[in-house]
Parts: sequence; C-alpha cells; structure tokens
Amino acid sequence: SAVISQKPSRDICQRGTSLTIQCQVDSQVTMMFWYRQQPGQSLTLIATANQGSEATYESGFVIDKFPISRPNLTFSTLTVSNMSPEDSSIYLCSVDSTASTDTQYFGPGTRLTVL
Amino acid sequence: GENVEQHPSTLSVQEGDSAVIKCTYSDSASNYFPWYKQELGKRPQLIIDIRSNVGEKKDQRIAVTLNKTAKHFSLHITETQPEDSAVYFCAASIRSGGYQKVTFGTGTKLQVIP
Repeated sequence: SAVISQKPSRDICQRGTSLTIQCQVDSQVTMMFWYRQQPGQSLTLIATANQGSEATYESGFVIDKFPISRPNLTFSTLTVSNMSPEDSSIYLCSVDSTASTDTQYFGPGTRLTVL
Repeated sequence: GENVEQHPSTLSVQEGDSAVIKCTYSDSASNYFPWYKQELGKRPQLIIDIRSNVGEKKDQRIAVTLNKTAKHFSLHITETQPEDSAVYFCAASIRSGGYQKVTFGTGTKLQVIP
C-alpha cells in the first residue's frame, strides 16, 4: 500500500484562527479523502478530493469552513477555518489503493486541539 | 444515504476466547465491506475485507461473513490475544462517481484480558 504522511501530527490552536493540514502520498493516487474523528467517535467523511476538480463535500461540511486543495496526484491540503473548540478532532486523510480502488488506506492523522 | 450500525460498542473476552462483532447496513447497493482496527493513538488499519459476491472470507484467526439478504456482516476473531485489544470499525461502501464512498460503523472497543 501507499505510504501516507500528514503534517502537522498535532497542533494546539486558538479560537478564530485557521490551520492547514497537509497530506503527502509516495505514489500517484486518483482519489484522496478527508475524514474527521471526534474524540472517542467513528470516522466521518468530510470531502473527497480529485485532482483538477473541486472537492465534493458531504452533508454538514462546507467549503468555506473546510477548503481543500488537490494540486497534483500525490498531495492535498485541508484547512480548518475560523476554528472553535468543537473543531477539536483528529483529521485523517486517506487514499484509494493503487491495486484496488475499493480499499482506502489512512494517513497517521492530525490531532487538533482548539482552545 | 448509507447507515451502518455496529454492535456491541464494547466487548471484553478472556485471552484465547473468540470475539464476534456484528454490523448491519441499509443500502442494498453497498458492494464492499472493509474492517479496520485502530489502536490507541494510531491510524485505522485494514485487517480484512469482503466483497458482495462472497459470503465468507478467512485470514488466519480473522474471518468475516456477509449475508446480503439480511444486510448484515460480522467479524470473527478466534484465539484472541492481548494484542487484539483495539477499536474495530466495520464499514460499508458504495461505488459513486468512480470511487468507493465509505460509511463507517460506530466502532467496537475490544479488550482481551490476559
């Protein structure tokens, strides 16, 4: 499977600020996905990012709050804008497998705490 | 949209016993069912998956069964070991727009008692 890295691994931010999370893959992938995992909870899909097109957002998530970039086939960013304590979560990127587009593999996650 | 329910939310077993986690899904179009294991502070890791044209799949101590008619699938872990302790997530996915859209269950925290 692809090697996926995320930066930063964790951060503590002040209310009202924004944080951009980077996701880097060591091979070209078609789709990249961004998930949120609130403390002790399951994974919720925020949006799907396809290179060269606008990200597709799930119900409850909007581009103004979570703008996403996908400039090439190995990289994506997720920005959490105008943060509040409710945004404290783990944010994970995932990619579909190069061998099977059915399977998704996850990055290590970014643990965000908003004060 | 798809809805995945998972039970139990917590499960404690003695080392060497079996553990079973059950999930149901709502959308009959779902065609791929992965299971992920997430250890504390780590990323979810795929441990086994099954496609809708298969009823059962086994990989060493782990097996998954799928009943398409009833729309439920289960994870079976035999001869549990302390390192099996983790949160397990089932998922159901549907092909949409050229990719698999995945919906996760709520998770089961498995504790294996030595």
